[in-house]
Amino acid sequence: EVALTQSPGTLSLSPGERVTLSCRASRGVGSNYLAWYQHKPDQAPRLLIYGASSRASGIPGRFSGSGSGTDFTLTISRLEPEDVAVYYCQQYGSSPWTFGQGTKVEIK
Amino acid sequence: QVQLQESGPGLVRPSETLSLTCIVSGSSLRGGYYWGWIRRSPGKALEWMASIYHGGNTYYNPSLESRVTVSVDTSIHQFSLRLTSVTAADTAVYFCARGGVTGPTRYFDSWGRGTLVTVSS
Repeated sequence: EVALTQSPGTLSLSPGERVTLSCRASRGVGSNYLAWYQHKPDQAPRLLIYGASSRASGIPGRFSGSGSGTDFTLTISRLEPEDVAVYYCQQYGSSPWTFGQGTKVEIK
Repeated sequence: QVQLQESGPGLVRPSETLSLTCIVSGSSLRGGYYWGWIRRSPGKALEWMASIYHGGNTYYNPSLESRVTVSVDTSIHQFSLRLTSVTAADTAVYFCARGGVTGPTRYFDSWGRGTLVTVSS
């Protein structure tokens, strides 16, 4: 199976700062089928990005995804207080679908 | 807007069977989607467990395949998960979610809030 490693484990930044989250796969993700999710406490996880770089419906433009092969990035161009959450990547290019362990984003 | 809601017991005894249901509203279970279960154990990554299509096609994570069964009942707008012979390692928050059928769409576009299941005697 494809193992996904996310870094860093926790990120603490000030509002307005640029956030860069990494997701590295143990082998190439087929067709760059990689998604990013945002999970806030006591809420349902929310799909942000699919296909490595396509924004899901209703997702603000400050969220963007990039990358291919084994290295993927989620960027928040300007951090807002409501972006405090845990962010997960997931590959769906080969079964079993797998997730990263998550990156927690905090406001400094 | 699709909504998913997990339900089931919060406590299960070791060696027993964990059973959860997911009630779906705002989306037909007969539509072009797979319906899946994902869990998050303490200190671990999210783990996809299984997915089912309304016609009965199923996908299972090989790591759980011998213990997991998923089913769907379109008449009552819900799908279910059964996990047998549970141990403390099965303690987790269990999520149900909707996913696409075709390769490019097999991400999960809607999720429930999750339900905590603790395995303990």
